[in-house]
Amino acid sequence: GAGVSQTPSNKVTEKGKYVELRCDPISGHTALYWYRQSLGQGPEFLIYFQGTGAADDSGLPNDRFFAVRPEGSVSTLKIQRTERGDSAVYLCASSLTAGVSYEQYFGPGTRLTVT
Amino acid sequence: AQSVTQLGSHVSVSEGALVLLRCNYSSSVPPYLFWYVQYPNQGLQLLLKYTSAATLVKGINGFEAEFKKSETSFHLTKPSAHMSDAAEYFCAVRGTGTASKLTFGTGTRLQVTL
Repeated sequence: GAGVSQTPSNKVTEKGKYVELRCDPISGHTALYWYRQSLGQGPEFLIYFQGTGAADDSGLPNDRFFAVRPEGSVSTLKIQRTERGDSAVYLCASSLTAGVSYEQYFGPGTRLTVT
Repeated sequence: AQSVTQLGSHVSVSEGALVLLRCNYSSSVPPYLFWYVQYPNQGLQLLLKYTSAATLVKGINGFEAEFKKSETSFHLTKPSAHMSDAAEYFCAVRGTGTASKLTFGTGTRLQVTL
């Protein structure tokens, strides 16, 4: 079946602009995660949803970052007033439900470049 | 808080040689430990996971890892490297209970030479 998909695959934007990154999880997966991977680093947790609600947003770096999942499926990560330091690959993952025994399946990521 | 440390950002082995990628963890609760592989321009793929059952865990593509509590280690091994194993490898830890986020190490890039 289809895996996790993310659009766009690449996004170049100017400093100060607003961007939206989209994640389509595996059908039926209720848990959805966002991670950010900076160059030469491992992925860092941003936020995760169980259904429509954000269960843990402790990884969001500041209030310029916001994510939604209004219908419990597709999620959008929104970044306001982008800064060059926001340049990274943004990864989305989904799992059947939250809980440590459930595997997280990752999408290919969106590479964001802020110029 | 939980964390993992991967020793060696780059490892180079000859085709057919043993692969050993090191990971040490820090956790105040019994950890769940994972190894992921990332090929260029692709997402992370789970290689194997330790979930407090057998300490020797076998994964895909001939990889295995051994959980050693006394050494707080979870090193990844493969007896014989193949050219297709060249990729970035990440060790990750996840707490028990409902906390679901993965905490990753900085990664080890494996190069396989002829």
